Amino acid sequence: NAGVTQTPKFQVLKTGQSMTLQCAQDMNHEYMSWYRQDPGMGLRLIHYSVGAGITDQGEVPNGYNVSRSTTEDFPLRLLSAAPSQTSVYFCASSSSQGRNEKLFFGSGTQLSVL
Amino acid sequence: SQQGEEDPQALSIQEGENATMNCSYKTSINNLQWYRQNSGRGLVHLILIRSNEREKHSGRLRVTLDTSKKSSSLLITASRAADTASYFCATGPDTGRRALTFGSGTRLQVQP
Repeated sequence: NAGVTQTPKFQVLKTGQSMTLQCAQDMNHEYMSWYRQDPGMGLRLIHYSVGAGITDQGEVPNGYNVSRSTTEDFPLRLLSAAPSQTSVYFCASSSSQGRNEKLFFGSGTQLSVL
Repeated sequence: SQQGEEDPQALSIQEGENATMNCSYKTSINNLQWYRQNSGRGLVHLILIRSNEREKHSGRLRVTLDTSKKSSSLLITASRAADTASYFCATGPDTGRRALTFGSGTRLQVQP
């Protein structure tokens, strides 16, 4: 199994550009989430989904959109990139059994906004 | 705001020594988890302890949980250079948003 796959691994954007970070998992996990990690800080939750067609906001949702049309995929869209969105983005998934079970993480996308 | 806060922020030890990291949190939890992150990589789950458990072991890892003090500790025994990484605690709340909240992490350096 590939686990959680994120693409691209690196991306440079100019302020105002839009893009989509891709995330796919092959473990049939109902729960998927996006975090961002900034230097000296832990991970902060952007959006999450408990199943296809269901999404909800996390701690820092502004400037980001998500959708969940399939169990496997959970893309993160930056609507109009800003320098403050320069960060490393992680997608993570877990099974639906129980509440807040362990997360499986992708390898991350390093995003720079100039 | 961060739910879990790790202490210390950084720790440097010699190979063979034990490493202890602490985590404090603020609200009622369902479970507490520890993750490891090697430089430039994603996080990897190490161990999960539920709110009704006090201690858990996995190989060279020992985790304790004190819900009355809202704190946890991660002990790595007989450390190796390969244990060099950042370690994060994450809390899963009892109610409300179904999401783990991560602390800012402890950077562990194990000198060979």
